[in-house]
Amino acid sequence: GENVEQHPSTLSVQEGDSAVIKCTYSDSASNYFPWYKQELGKRPQLIIDIRSNVGEKKDQRIAVTLNKTAKHFSLHITETQPEDSAVYFCAAIPSGGYQKVTFGIGTKLQVIP
Amino acid sequence: NAGVTQTPKFQVLKTGQSMTLQCAQDMNHEYMSWYRQDPGMGLRLIHYSVGAGITDQGEVPNGYNVSRSTTEDFPLRLLSAAPSQTSVYFCASSFQTSGIETQYFGPGTRLLVL
Repeated sequence: GENVEQHPSTLSVQEGDSAVIKCTYSDSASNYFPWYKQELGKRPQLIIDIRSNVGEKKDQRIAVTLNKTAKHFSLHITETQPEDSAVYFCAAIPSGGYQKVTFGIGTKLQVIP
Repeated sequence: NAGVTQTPKFQVLKTGQSMTLQCAQDMNHEYMSWYRQDPGMGLRLIHYSVGAGITDQGEVPNGYNVSRSTTEDFPLRLLSAAPSQTSVYFCASSFQTSGIETQYFGPGTRLLVL
């Protein structure tokens, strides 16, 4: 089955700096890669996603890149703000859908004012 | 739209007790699923449903039952609670007829089994 590794497990950055979280996956059949943000005690919420036919996607301060050859995808947050502090999860999903989803273990991001 | 709702928010059970976690969505989503979230392990799929009357097992189904009698509701039943089932449970749904659509999560149920 699919295996998703997420690094780092914790990340501290100064406000205004960039943060990068990386995930690697093992199953070449995975073709959809969402990123979720989960604030303390709240539900996971989709912040950005990318499909395997796209190499990069950007939404304001958030971007995701995908390298299918190396089987890794990364979340980039620029100009970080204290409200970006949360746990971020990546996931890999094959064409079979969410029935076969595999999540990363999460990265706790702390933005220091 | 209320989106995905879950009840209760918190529950304490004794070992061996049974209970049902409720999940409902008002978005006419075909696909619904249950996850558990444990520290250091990410989200793991328990059971899922691709439509009313159709359910199947996910990665960690043991000790749990589900049913899907309507499009809106997808309850999760713990048959005989064990301390290993202490976790946070999330229900999720997506409008999935073909391809992959955005998945929406409920607010979660925090369960403690003593």
